[in-house]
Amino acid sequence: EDKVVQSPLSLVVHEGDTVTLNCSYEVTNFRSLLWYKQEKKAPTFLFMLTSSGIEKKSGRLSSILDKKELFSILNITATQTGDSAIYLCANAGGTSYGKLTFGQGTILTVHP
Amino acid sequence: DADVTQTPRNRITKTGKRIMLECSQTKGHDRMYWYRQDPGLGLRLIYYSFDVKDINKGEISDGYSVSRQAQAKFSLSLESAIPNQTALYFCATSSMRGVYNEQFFGPGTRLTVL
Repeated sequence: EDKVVQSPLSLVVHEGDTVTLNCSYEVTNFRSLLWYKQEKKAPTFLFMLTSSGIEKKSGRLSSILDKKELFSILNITATQTGDSAIYLCANAGGTSYGKLTFGQGTILTVHP
Repeated sequence: DADVTQTPRNRITKTGKRIMLECSQTKGHDRMYWYRQDPGLGLRLIYYSFDVKDINKGEISDGYSVSRQAQAKFSLSLESAIPNQTALYFCATSSMRGVYNEQFFGPGTRLTVL
């Protein structure tokens, strides 16, 4: 059974801090790992990772994948209150092409 | 206009009632999904459909049924709602041409079963 585990489950920081969110996975037939940000309601796409060691970057957010150790990290530097959200990690793999298996999510709270 | 829409956005109902949640999309995607979200559990897949004639159970399909009326429409039904089905429900879509499985989510329906 495919499995995705995120840590920590919640995190409280102050503006300007750097945070690292973790995602480990077990999946057959790995295809990709995705990160989503969920603020008020619908999750919105951040990154898709398919290859080990290649960093994806968007502004203050970056992510990298390690397919040997089966994990990914999402880094956020110089955090702002607008970064407060649930961050979801999802893995695409398994026997049914197109399905995603999601982790529990990390709730990030950034205080001014 | 939103690409993926869900109706209703909020619903309160009583135990035993039949409820239908609807999802429509204008993205032209062939694949559609229904998830529920509970605090601390992330998103869990209820049902998914890769085309109009293809319906598959997800990890938590008990107590739910679905109908894919057209490529653009995918509805979720609770035949006899129970309180532990209180949750936030999301519809999502993806394209088979999107090789790496990115899914696009609707705004969600908050369902409360009393």
